[in-house]
Amino acid sequence: DAGVIQSPRHEVTEMGQEVTLRCKPISGHNSLFWYRQTMMRGLELLIYFNNNVPIDDSGMPEDRFSAKMPNASFSTLKIQPSEPRDSAVYFCASSPGQGDEKLFFGSGTQLSVL
Amino acid sequence: QKEVEQNSGPLSVPEGAIASLNCTYSDRGSQSFFWYRQYSGKSPELIMFIYSNGDKEDGRFTAQLNKASQYVSLLIRDSQPSDSATYLCAVQLSGGSYIPTFGRGTSLIVHP
Repeated sequence: DAGVIQSPRHEVTEMGQEVTLRCKPISGHNSLFWYRQTMMRGLELLIYFNNNVPIDDSGMPEDRFSAKMPNASFSTLKIQPSEPRDSAVYFCASSPGQGDEKLFFGSGTQLSVL
Repeated sequence: QKEVEQNSGPLSVPEGAIASLNCTYSDRGSQSFFWYRQYSGKSPELIMFIYSNGDKEDGRFTAQLNKASQYVSLLIRDSQPSDSATYLCAVQLSGGSYIPTFGRGTSLIVHP
């Protein structure tokens, strides 16, 4: 199994630009999570999908952030417009679901907004 | 607010010693507890999970859970320099949520 695949690994963009992060979960996993990690705030949950449906998006900072999961094998996290304070490592993780929430993380996307 | 607390460290231990990492949580109804290891510049990796009070051993790692005192710990025996990493505690809270809440992590340094 290839594990959770995220792209891009690194993204450098200018303030105001749109940023799209991509994630392919492990096949057969029913739950998908987007987390953001910074030194100041640690690992923060942004949004949680179960069976492709957003269940909890209370961690999404504001309307500039949006996430979709059009099918079981693909999810995107979009920031529009991006701001310097969005600079962080963004992780996607999947789990088998049905109460078994052992998370498998992707390699992360290092986002730098200048 | 339901919280998971860890000492940020760094915790420094000599090679071969036992490293003890602790985590406390505020939600008394929490059901599942996880330890993730994160090397610098890498993603978190699950290394242990525990659901019942007591000890659970896996190789050099032992997870300990005490629900009455609301803490979970991770012991690493015969610590090696390769164990140097940040250890994240995650707790699956009660109330039907399947979302693990993470602590800020404890940095462990094992020196030769």
